[in-house]
Amino acid sequence: DAGVIQSPRHEVTEMGQEVTLRCKPISGHDYLFWYRQTMMRGLELLIYFNNNVPIDDSGMPEDRFSAKMPNASFSTLKIQPSEPRDSAVYFCASSFAGALKETQYFGPGTRLLVL
Amino acid sequence: SQQGEEDPQALSIQEGENATMNCSYKTSINNLQWYRQNSGRGLVHLILIRSNEREKHSGRLRVTLDTSKKSSSLLITASRAADTASYFCATGRSGNTGKLIFGQGTTLQVKP
Repeated sequence: DAGVIQSPRHEVTEMGQEVTLRCKPISGHDYLFWYRQTMMRGLELLIYFNNNVPIDDSGMPEDRFSAKMPNASFSTLKIQPSEPRDSAVYFCASSFAGALKETQYFGPGTRLLVL
Repeated sequence: SQQGEEDPQALSIQEGENATMNCSYKTSINNLQWYRQNSGRGLVHLILIRSNEREKHSGRLRVTLDTSKKSSSLLITASRAADTASYFCATGRSGNTGKLIFGQGTTLQVKP
């Protein structure tokens, strides 16, 4: 299996622009998580889905952030409009509701820089 | 607030020495996991210990869990330069929603 796939790996944009991050979870996994990691705040859970349905979005910073999961193999995290404080590494992770459903598999991350 | 708090925040040792990292948490848990993150990479799962277990081994890793003290430790024996990374504990809450709460991490440097 290719693991969790994220794109793009790096994104540089200007303040006010829309940013879309993409994630393909491991096939068969039914949980998908979006995290943000910064030096100041560490690893923060933004939102997670179970069977494509958002379960907990309490970590989403504000209305500028939105996430969708239209099918079991694809999810997006969108920031509109982006701000410099959104600069971070964004990780997608997935897990399987089986015996080890608590184990999460992380993608390589998208490093976002908003100028 | 973060569920897991790692201690120390940073650790520097010589190759061959043992490294011990600690994690404390606040609420009831279903399981506790340790992850490793190499610089610029995603987190990688190392080991999971359930709330009814006290100790678990995996290769050079030894994890202990004390639910009465709400704490866990990760021991890496005979460390190698390749063990240089950040290590995070993560707790799964009772009720098992699939969600994990990660701590702030311990940065380990192993000098050759």
